[in-house]
Amino acid sequence: SQQGEEDPQALSIQEGENATMNCSYKTSINNLQWYRQNSGRGLVHLILIRSNEREKHSGRLRVTLDTSKKSSSLLITASRAADTASYFCATDGGSTLGRLYFGRGTQLTVWP
Amino acid sequence: GAGVSQTPSNKVTEKGKYVELRCDPISGHTALYWYRQSLGQGPEFLIYFQGTGAADDSGLPNDRFFAVRPEGSVSTLKIQRTERGDSAVYLCASSPGPRGETQYFGPGTRLLVL
Repeated sequence: SQQGEEDPQALSIQEGENATMNCSYKTSINNLQWYRQNSGRGLVHLILIRSNEREKHSGRLRVTLDTSKKSSSLLITASRAADTASYFCATDGGSTLGRLYFGRGTQLTVWP
Repeated sequence: GAGVSQTPSNKVTEKGKYVELRCDPISGHTALYWYRQSLGQGPEFLIYFQGTGAADDSGLPNDRFFAVRPEGSVSTLKIQRTERGDSAVYLCASSPGPRGETQYFGPGTRLLVL
């Protein structure tokens, strides 16, 4: 079963607006990652946040992590049409074996 | 440098046939993962190799699925007696090591079992 769950399932916004996606998970973690997927093919890694970190930035991306609530959020600022994709959070489930647990994803559509 | 490559890009087969899916990881990456993604779902873990050995194969759904990585580089996922329910995108990923690191994904193989 998948441990992460993204919310909302779908998000539709205009270019220039900010997009916020949330992720909840069930177990302890060592880290949490966000990936992007275009057209149902390969995933692209966006950002990794470790369990002892609360916030991380990368370009227009801002990720927060609240381990007490077992939740994370991904904020994309000043969105562009090219940001249209599915976004997944993935956790390691507290294991050091390396496998990732993905949610069902948030489908983001950015209209020009 | 080259990323993770997977062949074929698409595979159409008939129910009951045998298929092999190939993954070529990033050079030097010791960890290799296979995932399966059904429509509208996130990737689901199948198997993880550290070097040549399968360190975790707990995600393989049944004994029709098998994977090898004989020289610690290229991996092949093998599916026997395919069923329509096996239709999905099969994703391969690699990482430099096993511990909580970024995984680099290939473009996937879209398998359709008729």
